Amino acid sequence: DIQMTQSPSSLSASVGDRVTITCQASQDISNYLNWYQQKPGKAPKLLIYDASNLETGVPSRFSGSGSGTDFTFTISSLQPEDIATYYCQQYDNLPPQYTFGQGTKLEIK
Amino acid sequence: QVQLQESGPGLVKPSQTLSLTCTVSGGSISSGSYYWSWIRQPAGKGLEWIGRIYTSGSTNYNPSLKSRVTISVDTSKNQFSLKLSSVTAADTAVYYCASGLDGGFDYWGQGTLVTVSS
Repeated sequence: DIQMTQSPSSLSASVGDRVTITCQASQDISNYLNWYQQKPGKAPKLLIYDASNLETGVPSRFSGSGSGTDFTFTISSLQPEDIATYYCQQYDNLPPQYTFGQGTKLEIK
Repeated sequence: QVQLQESGPGLVKPSQTLSLTCTVSGGSISSGSYYWSWIRQPAGKGLEWIGRIYTSGSTNYNPSLKSRVTISVDTSKNQFSLKLSSVTAADTAVYYCASGLDGGFDYWGQGTLVTVSS
């Protein structure tokens, strides 16, 4: 099974800061990596798909990069409404299964 | 816009079977190339994929749950369902239904809390 290691587990930053979260796969997953935002009491929301593609309607301050085993999620200028927990998620098709990272809880400093 | 809504008992006794249904609106569960999944999240913890079904009826399950999980689809009702047998307190979680193309989840239900307790 492919394991996903997401870091940090929590992060405190100020409004306007650049925020970076990383996700590392235990083996090459090409670009089969998505990023989600989950606010308290809500379902996750897809932000980035296939490592670097911005989902329709998602603000451009969110971005993703990487391929193979190392991936990065960035918020270029943190806004108060970005307070949430962020998850990476990989897809493996042999056999088909999905694995989420442990999550990063983002707070305002 | 596709919408998903989970329904089912919020309390299940240990050793019994948890049963949930996801009703799809705003689109046909039979159309397109979407997979229909169940995902759960224990309180304060991360997300765990349980399994998925395609409209053809083919299924894939998380190996850690495979022996206890059955996912089925009822295209006439635009619904898909989850059954998880022999539940314990460790199965207490918010259960989400979700859908997407092969790699991820575009649409999510609001989630439903299922507590396993006698």
